[in-house]
Amino acid sequence: QKEVEQNSGPLSVPEGAIASLNCTYSDRGSQSFFWYRQYSGKSPELIMSIYSNGDKEDGRFTAQLNKASQYVSLLIRDSQPSDSATYLCAASFGNEKLTFGTGTRLTIIP
Amino acid sequence: DVKVTQSSRYLVKRTGEKVFLECVQDMDHENMFWYRQDPGLGLRLIYFSYDVKMKEKGDIPEGYSVSREKKERFSLILESASTNQTSMYLCASSPWSGATDTQYFGPGTRLTVL
Repeated sequence: QKEVEQNSGPLSVPEGAIASLNCTYSDRGSQSFFWYRQYSGKSPELIMSIYSNGDKEDGRFTAQLNKASQYVSLLIRDSQPSDSATYLCAASFGNEKLTFGTGTRLTIIP
Repeated sequence: DVKVTQSSRYLVKRTGEKVFLECVQDMDHENMFWYRQDPGLGLRLIYFSYDVKMKEKGDIPEGYSVSREKKERFSLILESASTNQTSMYLCASSPWSGATDTQYFGPGTRLTVL
């Protein structure tokens, strides 16, 4: 069974520091990877997508993909209290479906 | 902006009732999905549809059925609700692109079965 694994946390990071979230996946055939942010009581919203090895930056967010090691990470620079949320990692295994991890709860401490 | 709407934010039903959850998207997306989200279990795919009248089972289809009569509307049906179907239900849609594209989520329906 194709799996996506994340540390459930909670992960606590001081305001202004870098938050690092990690995700591993089981299928080497995985092609596309996504990070969603979910605030408490709200639905997931896409933050980043990454398809090839290396880094992809968007503002304070950087997604990193290493297909050889089968991991994806999300770095949040200059963390803000508004970044406190659950972050979901998702992977596509070559079709229209996504497999989600269980999420990492991030708390930014002012 | 993509908009995905769900018919109810909160729903309370009794065991054995037939329950309809409706989802509508306004971006002409081909793909639509139904998930349930439970603490510690994450998002699990129930059913998805890649075209009108087409459907495929996800990871946990037991106890559910779906209907897609129009491109913009995807309904989830609980034929006989049970307490273990108490959950947050999320609908999503995505355009067809030959590969996986971004999924856009609705606000969710929190269903309680008594």
